Amino acid sequence: EVQLVESGGGLVQPGGSLRLSCAASGFTFSSYSMNWVRQAPGKGLEWVSYISSSSSTIYYADSVKGRFTISRDNAKNSLYLQMNSLRDEDTAVYYCAREGWEYWGQGTLVTVSS
Amino acid sequence: DVVMTQSPLSLPVTLGQPASISCRSSQSLVYSDGNTYLNWFQQRPGQSPRRLIYKVSNRDSGVPDRFSGSGSGTDFTLKISRVEAEDVGVYYCMQGTHWPSWTFGQGTKVEIK
Repeated sequence: EVQLVESGGGLVQPGGSLRLSCAASGFTFSSYSMNWVRQAPGKGLEWVSYISSSSSTIYYADSVKGRFTISRDNAKNSLYLQMNSLRDEDTAVYYCAREGWEYWGQGTLVTVSS
Repeated sequence: DVVMTQSPLSLPVTLGQPASISCRSSQSLVYSDGNTYLNWFQQRPGQSPRRLIYKVSNRDSGVPDRFSGSGSGTDFTLKISRVEAEDVGVYYCMQGTHWPSWTFGQGTKVEIK
């Protein structure tokens, strides 16, 4: 069974940093690209970042470019999102999703507030 | 970026009655390989999104056959033939053709009258 479990969310002050993790199981993680998607409270879904299976190709939404860094460790079956210079508008539930969009994690809440 | 526009944004439906959600894209979603990468997702209250339909009209495993997707080019539709209580939630269309900027519709909230 495919499972994606996010962790690392929490309360952080504006300008602060946070690192999210997504632990994958039930499939060959190193064979699939991965995405981060976020959802602000009461709002819709926004794609945040993409990383290819080998980490050779990475993309970001303009809203996070230069502040967020996606990475992965295929040996640990894990996906990461390093978030720096956080802003109020980054407050959201962050989901990891596998290539193809069939599998999503349960999400982890990031709250940016003073 | 490709803009995905859904209508209506709110859809009250009587149990057992049909429901239809429209999704329009600002550019054609036909990819160079001939496929159209248009997905539909259901998000029940408090849950993660669940993919229902991929490539316009293909139902995912376990999705009831009362859900169907159709359309082409820039106009797409998700239909529920007979709404059940478990169908309450928000439905999103998403385009995967014009990557690396995957975009979602605003969402349509389905509720029971």
